Amino acid sequence: EPEVTQTPSHQVTQMGQEVILRCVPISNHLYFYWYRQILGQKVEFLVSFYNNEISEKSEIFDDQFSVERPDGSNFTLKIRSTKLEDSAMYFCASSQGISPSKGYTFGSGTRLTVV
Amino acid sequence: QQQVKQSPQSLIVQKGGISIINCAYENTAFDYFPWYQQFPGKGPALLIAIRPDVSEKKEGRFTISFNKSAKQFSLHIMDSQPGDSATYFCALKKIIKAAGNKLTFGGGTRVLVKP
Repeated sequence: EPEVTQTPSHQVTQMGQEVILRCVPISNHLYFYWYRQILGQKVEFLVSFYNNEISEKSEIFDDQFSVERPDGSNFTLKIRSTKLEDSAMYFCASSQGISPSKGYTFGSGTRLTVV
Repeated sequence: QQQVKQSPQSLIVQKGGISIINCAYENTAFDYFPWYQQFPGKGPALLIAIRPDVSEKKEGRFTISFNKSAKQFSLHIMDSQPGDSATYFCALKKIIKAAGNKLTFGGGTRVLVKP
């Protein structure tokens, strides 16, 4: 079964540093998403991306965040200047269509620890 | 702004028993009501979902009951098995025009099925 692949699985970074989280969505999917889950809390929407542009973003997705699909296969989330509160599990997801019955496929996540 | 409230936070059930998880939402502007299952170290995976014009949907041992007037929906896991031990999230799915879907998750319920 096709999978969404995320790398790295765990990243530790110093506060103020830039990090790039990488995702390879399923090849025939057109819609891409980032979510985050702070330890023990619910999964929160960050951003959706379609046709090479952001289609919606949450209030969490401020100017320190950016997304890119640099080469037609990878989908990246960049955090420019990490803060302690950015420590979370970040999930990439993709979907084939927008029909309500089309489920997302989530990756296994990248655990980001900011120290 | 908490759009969906999920209860209970945790649940212990004996093997063969019924697990019941409830969600209540605050507005009606959603297109689909999925449930996701998450195992430790993995991303959420779509378990079962229901449209707002249907009151019940059953897939194997999993059933969603949907009460549109009460703005509530629930997941029933019949004949619970130790392999069902996971965290379950209800979600609200909103189509973002033609640019994707956005999921709003509940707080999650950690289910432990004792053998």
